[in-house]
Amino acid sequence: QKEVEQNSGPLSVPEGAIASLNCTYSDRGSQSFFWYRQYSGKSPELIMFIYSNGDKEDGRFTAQLNKASQYVSLLIRDSQPSDSATYLCAGGSMDTGRRALTFGSGTRLQVQP
Amino acid sequence: NAGVTQTPKFQVLKTGQSMTLQCAQDMNHNSMYWYRQDPGMGLRLIYYSASEGTTDKGEVPNGYNVSRLNKREFSLRLESAAPSQTSVYFCASSEAGTGAYGYTFGSGTRLTVV
Repeated sequence: QKEVEQNSGPLSVPEGAIASLNCTYSDRGSQSFFWYRQYSGKSPELIMFIYSNGDKEDGRFTAQLNKASQYVSLLIRDSQPSDSATYLCAGGSMDTGRRALTFGSGTRLQVQP
Repeated sequence: NAGVTQTPKFQVLKTGQSMTLQCAQDMNHNSMYWYRQDPGMGLRLIYYSASEGTTDKGEVPNGYNVSRLNKREFSLRLESAAPSQTSVYFCASSEAGTGAYGYTFGSGTRLTVV
């Protein structure tokens, strides 16, 4: 079992809708979580990070973290066709013994015009 | 404002050939990483360097070697390429080698081994 799990999708939503992307993790030592967007043939781009339980909002994006349930999500409001991409969830730790992020396999999002 | 620069962008190798993938960052980051990305498998860590002078194995190190040449540069070497090493390789850097910071990725190297 991978440490960070994501549904591969594709998740298809109509333009203007809310897209909800989910991620679960198995390592309770994970403390920080990152969402990356990756367009086809391009490199991952950091869009959100969250360290504390609850919600964190940045523009149309909201990251949610529930450490008790080991669950991270990314909500994209007013989805646009330009949001169509693969979204990677990654977990990390402040522990200096764990010096690299662990990535999920990604969820492909399709926003239909 | 280059960020993380990887070379080459594309490469085709024959089985058994060797090559070095180059990576350089200009953000004064301490930590650098090499990942490979294969369809359906996400990003898998090959090697990382938490700070200048140190390197450590990741999840899939077999068949690879690395060199942290200085704070800016971190290279990945394939000594004897195999078709199983056909992949997209990403170099990344971060301020510190913990989960406190996200990564900045390079543009990637698409490697095909025939």
